[in-house]
Amino acid sequence: ILNVEQSPQSLHVQEGDSTNFTCSFPSSNFYALHWYRWETAKSPEALFVMTLNGDEKKKGRISATLNTKEGYSYLYIKGSQPEDSATYLCAFPFTGNQFYFGTGTSLTVIP
Amino acid sequence: EPEVTQTPSHQVTQMGQEVILRCVPISNHLYFYWYRQILGQKVEFLVSFYNNEISEKSEIFDDQFSVERPDGSNFTLKIRSTKLEDSAMYFCASRGWRNTEAFFGQGTRLTVV
Repeated sequence: ILNVEQSPQSLHVQEGDSTNFTCSFPSSNFYALHWYRWETAKSPEALFVMTLNGDEKKKGRISATLNTKEGYSYLYIKGSQPEDSATYLCAFPFTGNQFYFGTGTSLTVIP
Repeated sequence: EPEVTQTPSHQVTQMGQEVILRCVPISNHLYFYWYRQILGQKVEFLVSFYNNEISEKSEIFDDQFSVERPDGSNFTLKIRSTKLEDSAMYFCASRGWRNTEAFFGQGTRLTVV
């Protein structure tokens, strides 16, 4: 079983604050790193699929960076809004097929 | 927009009974997965399926579990003799080529009593 770790486990921020969290994964046998947003009572929704070292992807106020050599990815949310409240999961495909999910970071944005 | 659908949304079953959880993946996808999340715990991988056979499975996926893609559209997870600890949300997912994102169904909440 591979270790995909996320930190912090939970985060409470004020509306308008920017925030970031980390996903750490094994740097060997890298295929891709996925980020998903999982809102309560819904299914996980893909945010980004990152494949190249140094990749930076952006979707609105959310962006992510990737460092495959040291085995981490950061997810940034600029100007957090209450609708950003969710659990953010990273997933690491091992052997290109099976996904290992991190434990998730639970974000609560306080209005 | 194409989506993964799961039925039923909630299933209550007695311990020892067999359950079948159903999923309809996105039609041109190639890889299929089952995951589960026990309340308050992290998402756990169960099994992946490619080219009409299991490609990988976790330690959780023991002889009580099986998967099938009987008709090229449905993807089912069968638990032969349910235990209390099988109570969880079960999610099906599918994806296209290797580095594309996975699309998840809404989940089936399985309650074993």
